[in-house]
Amino acid sequence: EVQLVESGGGLVQPGGSLRLSCVASGFSFSDYWMTWVRQAPGKGLEWVANIKADGTGKFYVASVEGRFTVSRDNTKDSLYLQMNSLRADDTAVYYCARAVRSATTYNYFDPWGQGTLVTVSS
Amino acid sequence: DIVMTQSPDSLAVSLGERATINCKSTQSLLYNSNNMDYLAWYQQKPGEPPKLLIYWASARESGVPDRFSGSGSGTDFTLTINSLQAEDVAVYYCQQYYSTPLTFGGGTKVEIK
Repeated sequence: EVQLVESGGGLVQPGGSLRLSCVASGFSFSDYWMTWVRQAPGKGLEWVANIKADGTGKFYVASVEGRFTVSRDNTKDSLYLQMNSLRADDTAVYYCARAVRSATTYNYFDPWGQGTLVTVSS
Repeated sequence: DIVMTQSPDSLAVSLGERATINCKSTQSLLYNSNNMDYLAWYQQKPGEPPKLLIYWASARESGVPDRFSGSGSGTDFTLTINSLQAEDVAVYYCQQYYSTPLTFGGGTKVEIK
């Protein structure tokens, strides 16, 4: 069974940092682009970042560029999101998801993890 | 950036009736070289992550009931749920993957009348 499990969320003060993790199982992780998508409480979905299967290509939404870094460790079947300079509007559930199409950032996603909640507040 | 606009924001449909959700993009999602529309639909039930329903505007994901169908091309797309079931209560999102940043519609909440 394909599974994605996120962790690392929590309460952090504005300006602080947090590192999210997503552990994959049930598929060949190193063959797939991966993504982070977030959802503010009661709001819609916002794509955050994509990373190429080998980790050499990364794409971000403008609002997190320079503050967030997506990475992966294919030896550990793990995806990460390092979040720095956090702001109140970064408060959201962060989902990791597997990109369906190979070799492209222009993708749709399946499956998704259950998500991890990040709350930025003083 | 491509802006995705869904309508209506919410709708209430009787069991067994049809639900129609619209999604409009600010630029065409039709890629001329392969004649494919770069549009996906997701279902999100309360407390759950999104689930892929439709991709390439009209291709149904494996395991998705055939009462769900996608149509449209260019800038105007529709998700239709025929014979609405109780388990279809959810928020539905469209997503374009034609260009980055990848963007989603604001969601349409489907309830039972």
